Amino acid sequence: DVKVTQSSRYLVKRTGEKVFLECVQDMDHENMFWYRQDPGLGLRLIYFSYDVKMKEKGDIPEGYSVSREKKERFSLILESASTNQTSMYLCASTPGQGYEQFFGPGTRLTVL
Amino acid sequence: AQSVTQPDIHITVSEGASLELRCNYSYGATPYLFWYVQSPGQGLQLLLKYFSGDTLVQGIKGFEAEFKRSQSSFNLRKPSVHWSDAAEYFCAAPSSGTASKLTFGTGTRLQVTL
Repeated sequence: DVKVTQSSRYLVKRTGEKVFLECVQDMDHENMFWYRQDPGLGLRLIYFSYDVKMKEKGDIPEGYSVSREKKERFSLILESASTNQTSMYLCASTPGQGYEQFFGPGTRLTVL
Repeated sequence: AQSVTQPDIHITVSEGASLELRCNYSYGATPYLFWYVQSPGQGLQLLLKYFSGDTLVQGIKGFEAEFKRSQSSFNLRKPSVHWSDAAEYFCAAPSSGTASKLTFGTGTRLQVTL
């Protein structure tokens, strides 16, 4: 079974802090994704990566950056956390030619 | 651009009753289509997927979905709902021809009354 893990289930940070969310997948998938999920808005794509060191902006990249130094790991970075970034963050991965995405358990981030 | 619409934000059914969750998509060619389920505080789990062939697709947990090209729909059904089916359900379709990106609907929250 594909396993996608996220470094924290719950995280509380203060405004202005730099925040790192880590995602690791164990199935050698080429593509990895970061979404945020808010009530009534569904899942919105922040960034995705289709290879090591390769990334593309999604629908809502403002205030976020990403890093993919190794194939199995995809990090989401909030350079200076703000209260409007309080949300559930979901990581997913998929093989190179596939569309079926495999999700991690999510990180609920609260920015105070 | 691809879009996925789930017109029902919230649905309540009684345990044992049948269920149908609606999903409409916009896409020129025959799409790949997915239904995911999210239990409270969890990530998304794939229920079922349609790629081609038989338009009635069986999934896990007793769910099925029917692809209807004429109606641009991919509705999720279950003949008899269990209390453990209470969750949020998302329909999804590819958002472009490359990079394996998906567009998700806004979700339907299912409440099951006993």
